[in-house]
Amino acid sequence: NAGVTQTPKFQVLKTGQSMTLQCAQDMNHEYMSWYRQDPGMGLRLIHYSVGAGITDQGEVPNGYNVSRSTTEDFPLRLLSAAPSQTSVYFCASSYVGGTYNEQFFGPGTRLTVL
Amino acid sequence: KNEVEQSPQNLTAQEGEFITINCSYSVGISALHWLQQHPGGGIVSLFMLSSGKKKHGRLIATINIQEKHSSLHITASHPRDSAVYICAASWIGGGADGLTFGKGTHLIIQP
Repeated sequence: NAGVTQTPKFQVLKTGQSMTLQCAQDMNHEYMSWYRQDPGMGLRLIHYSVGAGITDQGEVPNGYNVSRSTTEDFPLRLLSAAPSQTSVYFCASSYVGGTYNEQFFGPGTRLTVL
Repeated sequence: KNEVEQSPQNLTAQEGEFITINCSYSVGISALHWLQQHPGGGIVSLFMLSSGKKKHGRLIATINIQEKHSSLHITASHPRDSAVYICAASWIGGGADGLTFGKGTHLIIQP
């Protein structure tokens, strides 16, 4: 099993550009989520999904979109990148019941917005 | 707002020392998670517990539900234990809307 994979590992964008961060898992987990990690702050939830076709907002959803067309994939879209979105992004997955079960994290994507 | 507080923020110790990292939370939880993050690396789940104590190798996690407090202990610490240790809580009634994370404890074990 590859576990949770994320691409790209690193990305530099200019303000206003859009892009998609990819996340995939091969463990048949129903629950998937996106977090951002900023210096001096704990990880914060952006969006999450409890199954294909179902998504919801987390603590810091503004400027991001998600979709969940398959169990395996949960892409995160930045619509118009801003310097405030410079961060490290982690995707995570777990069995349904989400927060009550062990979460598996991807390796992270380091994004810089100039 | 449900909060998770960790202490200390930074900890430097000598190889072989017994390490304790503390985590406190504000309201009732359904589970408390301990995670490890190596420099430049991803995040790995170490423990998930809702009561009592769990042990894996040199790592021990305990939780006191009444005091809303959890500790992560490392026995016979080694330089390879150097990492950021993060506690995170899932809340009673919180549903599937993710975890609340502490800010992490940066641990350095010197040889």
